[in-house]
Amino acid sequence: KQEVTQIPAALSVPEGENLVLNCSFTDSAIYNLQWFRQDPGKGLTSLLLIQSSQREQTSGRLNASLDKSSGRSTLYIAASQPGDSATYLCAVRPRGGSYIPTFGRGTSLIVHP
Amino acid sequence: EPEVTQTPSHQVTQMGQEVILRCVPISNHLYFYWYRQILGQKVEFLVSFYNNEISEKSEIFDDQFSVERPDGSNFTLKIRSTKLEDSAMYFCACSGGQGVDEQFFGPGTRLTVL
Repeated sequence: KQEVTQIPAALSVPEGENLVLNCSFTDSAIYNLQWFRQDPGKGLTSLLLIQSSQREQTSGRLNASLDKSSGRSTLYIAASQPGDSATYLCAVRPRGGSYIPTFGRGTSLIVHP
Repeated sequence: EPEVTQTPSHQVTQMGQEVILRCVPISNHLYFYWYRQILGQKVEFLVSFYNNEISEKSEIFDDQFSVERPDGSNFTLKIRSTKLEDSAMYFCACSGGQGVDEQFFGPGTRLTVL
């Protein structure tokens, strides 16, 4: 059974710092991995999707990498801003048969001015 | 930009009552999903729906739950007889547009069962 872990659980940084959020998974037979942002009491906003054949994806100040062999993905946020404050979730979809995604618990990020 | 909408935003009901949660997915998407998130817990998959039938469902999605796409735009989740433990945020999602696998979520319905 796939298990997804996100470390750290919470992070508080001053504005302007570059950040790395981690997502690890136990079964490397994945179809894709998707990073989301969730604001308190709100839905999930898709940030980046990495297919199993890809190594990284970039969107603006965000860069996500994928290393299937080590069961890890990282989300890099450059030059963090207070507006980046949210919970960041990763979700892993398996390959073959079922496509049911497994979510991590998320990293709660606070960027203070 | 197209988005997923959900109604109501908050539903309060008595235990044992039926509730229907409604979603309008992005119009050209083909795959539809329901998830739930109990307060403070992980997001959990409930069911996926494609071509007017259930593709996959989790253990949570028992006989008390059903989904329907009654017309070309709405996608509904029905809980027949709500229990206290059904209290959660319920999210609708869809995929199958231009970025085929990317899932787009709605803002959620907060269900409170008293």
